[in-house]
Amino acid sequence: KQEVTQIPAALSVPEGENLVLNCSFTDSAIYNLQWFRQDPGKGLTSLLLIQSSQREQTSGRLNASLDKSSGRSTLYIAASQPGDSATYLCAVRFFGAARQLTFGSGTQLTVLP
Amino acid sequence: EAQVTQNPRYLITVTGKKLTVTCSQNMNHEYMSWYRQDPGLGLRQIYYSMNVEVTDKGDVPEGYKVSRKEKRNFPLILESPSPNQTSLYFCASSLMASGSTDTQYFGPGTRLTVL
Repeated sequence: KQEVTQIPAALSVPEGENLVLNCSFTDSAIYNLQWFRQDPGKGLTSLLLIQSSQREQTSGRLNASLDKSSGRSTLYIAASQPGDSATYLCAVRFFGAARQLTFGSGTQLTVLP
Repeated sequence: EAQVTQNPRYLITVTGKKLTVTCSQNMNHEYMSWYRQDPGLGLRQIYYSMNVEVTDKGDVPEGYKVSRKEKRNFPLILESPSPNQTSLYFCASSLMASGSTDTQYFGPGTRLTVL
């Protein structure tokens, strides 16, 4: 079964810290991997999309990496701010299930001022 | 502004009373999809549509219907809602159904409570 796992479920850090969120997936045959941010009671905002052929993508203070062979992706957030507090979701588009995204359960991040 | 809109945002109803949640996108996307989000279960796909008049089941289609008569609209219909359909619902769209560069855009969500 194709699954996506995110550990830890929750993370609390002081403002200014650099941090890494982890995502693992069970099948290396993927089209792409996407990181989303979800604020409480709100929709999902796409942060970064990494194509299967890519190793990383960057946007501002965010950097996402992809290692297909090990089934892992990380989202690096530099110089965290209280406004970064949200739930971060990892989603994978697997071969054989291309019509949907398979989501992890998310990491709830709290950045303390 | 490119966006996916959903209505209503919040809905409280009673068991058995038919309801429709609308979804509309203004990006000329071919692919549209509905997900539900439940604590501990994450987001699960209900139905998706590859294009006008083309729809198919996702992982949890029971109790739901959809239609795609126009490219921009993809309503979710609950013919006889039950309490186990209480959830947060998201509509999503992307340019195409697959492809390595295709980003999915999500609506703001509809919080449904069935009493």
